Amino acid sequence: NAGVTQTPKFRVLKTGQSMTLLCAQDMNHEYMYWYRQDPGMGLRLIHYSVGEGTTAKGEVPDGYNVSRLKKQNFLLGLESAAPSQTSVYFCASSYSFHQPQHFGDGTRLSIL
Amino acid sequence: EDQVTQSPEALRLQEGESSSLNCSYTVSGLRGLFWYRQDPGKGPEFLFTLYSAGEEKEKERLKATLTKKESFLHITAPKPEDSATYLCAVLNNNAGNMLTFGGGTRLMVKP
Repeated sequence: NAGVTQTPKFRVLKTGQSMTLLCAQDMNHEYMYWYRQDPGMGLRLIHYSVGEGTTAKGEVPDGYNVSRLKKQNFLLGLESAAPSQTSVYFCASSYSFHQPQHFGDGTRLSIL
Repeated sequence: EDQVTQSPEALRLQEGESSSLNCSYTVSGLRGLFWYRQDPGKGPEFLFTLYSAGEEKEKERLKATLTKKESFLHITAPKPEDSATYLCAVLNNNAGNMLTFGGGTRLMVKP
């Protein structure tokens, strides 16, 4: 079973460029999440979705946008990348808030 | 402000040397505490969920316990393959149903 799949796995961008990170899950989960993980900061929630067509802000949403057009996909966009957005991005999904979240293997993003 | 603190930040053990990892939290209205394992270059892998004080869960060499202020992950007779970063996260009423993660404990088990 694939579980949660993130693409791409690595990416290098220049400041000001835009890009979209794709997350796909095959577990029929309603809830999906985007996190960033930085050394010494732990995992922090960027945006999340409680179902197709819905999105909500997390702890650190500035500079990011998301879309959930299909239940199985959750997209994270950076409109104008900044060096402060250099991080490892993780997508996760779950049946509900109370159920465990299942994570992908991350996208390592460097912004020069 | 809700806080989740894990200690120690790093722990070196010899194979077979049992120990415990701590996750202390200051949240109101705890709705669940989750333990994850994370290997280098991978995403967190779910281990346990604890919902109320006094609850315990076990899986192979790992045992998680929960009190009103902290959780412990006990590792009995660890093996080198138990080496990983262990993360805890809490779900509480005041954080809009978002998980708050601790900084993790990096465990290294030497043969």
